[in-house]
Amino acid sequence: ETGVTQSPTHLIKTRGQQVTLRCSSQSGHNTVSWYQQALGQGPQFIFQYYREEENGRGNFPPRFSGLQFPNYSSELNVNALELDDSALYLCASSPGGLAGQETQYFGPGTRLLVL
Amino acid sequence: AQKVTQAQTEISVVEKEDVTLDCVYETRDTTYYLFWYKQPPSGELVFLIRRNSFDEQNEISGRYSWNFQKSTSSFNFTITASQVVDSAVYFCALDDYKLSFGAGTTVTVRA
Repeated sequence: ETGVTQSPTHLIKTRGQQVTLRCSSQSGHNTVSWYQQALGQGPQFIFQYYREEENGRGNFPPRFSGLQFPNYSSELNVNALELDDSALYLCASSPGGLAGQETQYFGPGTRLLVL
Repeated sequence: AQKVTQAQTEISVVEKEDVTLDCVYETRDTTYYLFWYKQPPSGELVFLIRRNSFDEQNEISGRYSWNFQKSTSSFNFTITASQVVDSAVYFCALDDYKLSFGAGTTVTVRA
């Protein structure tokens, strides 16, 4: 069984640029959630996708957007990057779209540095 | 208001000592789930345990055990006979409609 994978592992961008992060969910999982983890803090929920539809969103501005594809892989896009966007971005997958009822399994994350 | 509070920032122990991590949560829902995750230096969050709000039975799984008390909104986690490989940041999380994490407790186990 393949776990959650993310790419790239590290990324350096400059302010104002745009970035796309990718995630492949664990086999058999159709729900993907994205989290931002700043240094020394706990992960913060960005949004969740279930069967290609956004299924909940945290307190993040619209320049954070996402997609989920028919194979349940997902992208996180961030436009107009700011210095505070520097963080570890974590993707998690779970078996279904029932919020609160499934365990989420996390990928290794993408470390984004914005200069 | 913070939904999950982990009051301990750092804990340092010598190998074979027990470590107890505190977690207090806040929710208005009657149905919710509580989790503990471990984050080693590599960065990946590793699932450890899950508990639903209707089951207050405390259990032991290997060297891990947990104490869920709904009356005090606490979900504490204990590592028995700690090992150096247990060194990591441990996160408590609440899932009522989305997963909310605490700030984490850094556990250092010295040989």
